[in-house]
Amino acid sequence: AQSVTQPDIHITVSEGASLELRCNYSYGATPYLFWYVQSPGQGLQLLLKYFSGDTLVQGIKGFEAEFKRSQSSFNLRKPSVHWSDAAEYFCAVGEMSSNTGKLIFGQGTTLQVKP
Amino acid sequence: EPEVTQTPSHQVTQMGQEVILRCVPISNHLYFYWYRQILGQKVEFLVSFYNNEISEKSEIFDDQFSVERPDGSNFTLKIRSTKLEDSAMYFCASSATGTGKAGELFFGEGSRLTVL
Repeated sequence: AQSVTQPDIHITVSEGASLELRCNYSYGATPYLFWYVQSPGQGLQLLLKYFSGDTLVQGIKGFEAEFKRSQSSFNLRKPSVHWSDAAEYFCAVGEMSSNTGKLIFGQGTTLQVKP
Repeated sequence: EPEVTQTPSHQVTQMGQEVILRCVPISNHLYFYWYRQILGQKVEFLVSFYNNEISEKSEIFDDQFSVERPDGSNFTLKIRSTKLEDSAMYFCASSATGTGKAGELFFGEGSRLTVL
């Protein structure tokens, strides 16, 4: 069965430091991969997505993610974190062959940013 | 920027009562979804809806749940007889195309349901 694992439930980084949030997936076919962010009281906002092609994808707010098929990973990175990046981050996988929009989400990683 | 809107933002209800959660998807979108997140747990897929019918539903989406697009703008989730375990944040989402066609889901801010 498809699954998504985000090993880090909570991460704290200092403002200006680099960030990497881990995501591993288990999926039989070629997946569609997504990172969403949820700020307090807000809905889920898409940061970036990978469907095919270049395995390094750029997203909004200075985020990027790299798809590594050999490691079944899709880690999210940002070179310099801002205090406004404090939020919960969700990795998700979607079925390439599906038309139903069903996404499988990870548990989420809560990012805290220290001043 | 167009957005998905949900009402109510928070609803408290007694066990056994019926609840309707409402969503206004983005106007030119064709695919509609409900997801839920029980506190401290993962966001879970409930149902997808396209062309006025359910295209997929999860095992969570049992006979107590139903969805409807009563007019050209609203998309509703009804829980007929709420249970304590239905307490969760419910997210509505819409997309112009399905995920399999590189669709992007746009989520609303969620409706928090508390069942007492």
